[in-house]
Amino acid sequence: SQTIHQWPATLVQPVGSPLSLECTVEGTSNPNLYWYRQAAGRGLQLLFYSVGIGQISSEVPQNLSASRPQDRQFILSSKKLLLSDSGFYLCAWRTVGRYQETQYFGPGTRLLVL
Amino acid sequence: AQSVSQHNHHVILSEAASLELGCNYSYGGTVNLFWYVQYPGQHLQLLLKYFSGDPLVKGIKGFEAEFIKSKFSFNLRKPSVQWSDTAEYFCAVWDTGFQKLVFGTGTRLLVSP
Repeated sequence: SQTIHQWPATLVQPVGSPLSLECTVEGTSNPNLYWYRQAAGRGLQLLFYSVGIGQISSEVPQNLSASRPQDRQFILSSKKLLLSDSGFYLCAWRTVGRYQETQYFGPGTRLLVL
Repeated sequence: AQSVSQHNHHVILSEAASLELGCNYSYGGTVNLFWYVQYPGQHLQLLLKYFSGDPLVKGIKGFEAEFIKSKFSFNLRKPSVQWSDTAEYFCAVWDTGFQKLVFGTGTRLLVSP
């Protein structure tokens, strides 16, 4: 069965520091991968998605970037964190095919920027 | 692009009460609709989904949702809630034009014992 991992689970970082959040998927190949940010009362905001290695689409311009160095690895990064980057970051995957439009989510990373 | 409205931001119910959470999406055509649930301290889980066929969809834990095309709605229901249903519920629609999942802002449900 497929599983999705995210780490770290929680992170406290000072303003101006770099960020690297990792997401990996097991049990599937060539998934579409997604990064979301969840803010209280604002639902889930899609940040980036990737349909393959090295292919990144950005949904909103901001202080973050994403990379996909391997088929089942998706990384969310920042060179300098802002206070407004605090939030709950979720990674998701979906396989194009029979269950094409169904996305499955990882456990999330809670980021607090101080 | 599609948008999703969840009109109830906070709902408080007593155990055994019936639940209906509203969800409306912005425009028609072929739609794929989802309800996700996030229990306290847990990750987002798929509750149920509608792709085609019977507009009344049954999901896990006794939840169901009805797709009403004429009303652009996909409301979530449960006849009798339990304390363990306390969670945040998100409605989502697959935007076939932009090829992405669009979420509502969520509804926090608190069930008192």
